[in-house]
Amino acid sequence: NAGVTQTPKFQVLKTGQSMTLQCAQDMNHEYMSWYRQDPGMGLRLIHYSVGAGITDQGEVPNGYNVSRSTTEDFPLRLLSAAPSQTSVYFCASSYSIGTIGGTEAFFGQGTRLTVV
Amino acid sequence: AQSVSQHNHHVILSEAASLELGCNYSYGGTVNLFWYVQYPGQHLQLLLKYFSGDPLVKGIKGFEAEFIKSKFSFNLRKPSVQWSDTAEYFCAVRGSQGNLIFGKGTKLSVKP
Repeated sequence: NAGVTQTPKFQVLKTGQSMTLQCAQDMNHEYMSWYRQDPGMGLRLIHYSVGAGITDQGEVPNGYNVSRSTTEDFPLRLLSAAPSQTSVYFCASSYSIGTIGGTEAFFGQGTRLTVV
Repeated sequence: AQSVSQHNHHVILSEAASLELGCNYSYGGTVNLFWYVQYPGQHLQLLLKYFSGDPLVKGIKGFEAEFIKSKFSFNLRKPSVQWSDTAEYFCAVRGSQGNLIFGKGTKLSVKP
């Protein structure tokens, strides 16, 4: 049972480059989200999706795009990387908020991104 | 605004000491509360969760937490910590949009 799979695990980008962080889950979860983790800041929500075709912004969406064409996949795109986007990125998935007992979030292994 | 506050940034304990990590939340709706643990270099793993019912929740690895509605608190406890409990601990509440709202985390260092 793979759970939530993120690729790549590590990435170094130059300022201005673009890239896509991949996230896939095999648990048929409706809800998927992206967080970034910075020292002393906890995890902050970037974007989230409540189902295929539906996305919305979180707390820190600037500089990032998402799409949700399938239930399984939720890629995060950095349009023009900046040093301020150096962080560890986590993808998470869960059943929808209305599911009894099903609102636990499962996290991927994370992507450590450095922008130079 | 919904928020989660964790009182301690870094806690240092000796093995066998008791642990209590504070967590307070501000959210007026039905609360789903979580404690996650992140071991060095790893992703977040669920320790325990509260949805409803018994306010004393038992989780994995001997951890427990008590939901006190009147105090908006969900403190994490363990009677006797081990060196392997060294990690960062995050309290979270589920927000109205289904997202998790995290506290800033508490680093726990356990001295052998």
